[in-house]
Amino acid sequence: GESVGLHLPTLSVQEGDNSIINCAYSNSASDYFIWYKQESGKGPQFIIDIRSNMDKRQGQRVTVLLNKTVKHLSLQIAATQPGDSAVYFCAEKLNNAGNMLTFGGGTRLMVKP
Amino acid sequence: GAGVSQSPSNKVTEKGKDVELRCDPISGHTALYWYRQSLGQGLEFLIYFQGNSAPDKSGLPSDRFSAERTGGSVSTLTIQRTQQEDSAVYLCASSLKGAGSPLHFGNGTRLTVT
Repeated sequence: GESVGLHLPTLSVQEGDNSIINCAYSNSASDYFIWYKQESGKGPQFIIDIRSNMDKRQGQRVTVLLNKTVKHLSLQIAATQPGDSAVYFCAEKLNNAGNMLTFGGGTRLMVKP
Repeated sequence: GAGVSQSPSNKVTEKGKDVELRCDPISGHTALYWYRQSLGQGLEFLIYFQGNSAPDKSGLPSDRFSAERTGGSVSTLTIQRTQQEDSAVYLCASSLKGAGSPLHFGNGTRLTVT
C-alpha cells in the first residue's frame, strides 16, 4: 500500500549549520502533515505541521516545505544545535482517515559540536 | 500544563500473562490514540478514540489486544496472553479535537515479554 518514507536514515551536521530532513509520501489524498522529534526514551514531540493547501510554514528555527507535485515534504532546521540531535519522523493523514497518522521510518539527526 | 501521562513506564512480564497499560490524556482533549513502536522502528497505529467510542480499531494486531476509554478521559490498553513479539514501546497520544489537530504523545510504556 501507499506509505510515508524517508530518504536518509542518518544525517550528520556541524553545529551551527542548517539541516534539511526529507520525506517522500506517495498518497495524493493526504491533506495534513506533521513533523515530530523523538529523543531517546521519550515520546515523539510535535515540531510543526502543515496542511495540503499550503506550501510552506515557518516556526521558530524550523521551516516545513510541502511540494505536492512530487509528493515531498522537508523539514529545515536553522543553526542546528546539539539539542536538535534526535530522530525525526514525518507523518501524514489521509483526508478520509479521521485523525489517524501514518508515520515514516524516521531519520536520525546527529549534530557534531 | 501537564502532558500525556502513561503508566507504568516499564513493564516486564512473562509470556502468557495479561498486561494493562494506562494513559491519562491532556485535560480537555477529546481524541486519544494508541501507537506501538518496536526498537528502531516507526510508529504503528493501533486504535483511536473520539470521546469514549473507538471509530477506528483497524490497527489492533490480534484479538488479544483490546482498549477502552471511560469518562472521555483515561484509557487502558490490555494485551492478553502476551507473546514475545508484543515487546515494544506503547505510546499514547491525545489531541484537542479530531482530524487535523496535532497529536501530543506521552513517553510511552516499554513492555518486555520474557
